[in-house]
Amino acid sequence: DGGITQSPKYLFRKEGQNVTLSCEQNLNHDAMYWYRQDPGQGLRLIYYSQIVNDFQKGDIAEGYSVSREKKESFPLTVTSAQKNPTAFYLCASQQGYQPQHFGDGTRLSIL
Amino acid sequence: GDSVTQMEGPVTLSEEAFLTINCTYTATGYPSLFWYVQYPGEGLQLLLKATKADDKGSNKGFEATYRKETTSFHLEKGSVQVSDSAVYFCALSDPNYGGSQGNLIFGKGTKLSVKP
Repeated sequence: DGGITQSPKYLFRKEGQNVTLSCEQNLNHDAMYWYRQDPGQGLRLIYYSQIVNDFQKGDIAEGYSVSREKKESFPLTVTSAQKNPTAFYLCASQQGYQPQHFGDGTRLSIL
Repeated sequence: GDSVTQMEGPVTLSEEAFLTINCTYTATGYPSLFWYVQYPGEGLQLLLKATKADDKGSNKGFEATYRKETTSFHLEKGSVQVSDSAVYFCALSDPNYGGSQGNLIFGKGTKLSVKP
């Protein structure tokens, strides 16, 4: 079945550590997105990529970095500069104007 | 800028009750409108969509009509079930907003709990 796979499901970060969240899709979608979800809040856009080797900052990109070396992969790195990283992170993909498809998310916590 | 406003939750209903979750939006262009549902511990799933004024989206007994005159897209269901318990997000996609053509702007979500 086609879909989006996020891993790991749960992730813990130590102080001063960078961590990378994986997002893989086999839907052959051009565009991919990373969102952050905090309790009681909607989703906020971190980064997005419309084509391979290109990506753009979203509303809350500070403290995060991404790469898009392959069409099917869009990893997100949460750097030590992100002072409040505890959240639920969602990856999505999209083709043209079709609705976005979401993965099942990664929950990041601080040790 | 573009925005989406949803009614505050949580909403608690008895099984078979009628559901309405209000959603209004502000957009500079002619957005597409969506309702997504999030079950506990999962990602978002598209529930229904509407791409132009007066369109009605429907799925699994849920409906929403794109009302341009009131800038609204309220979600309704005639008879809710316990399995409908989830968080519901209203969202819009505005090609004139800038950035990615597919960028979604989300409301804060409304948590629905349905009791047997």
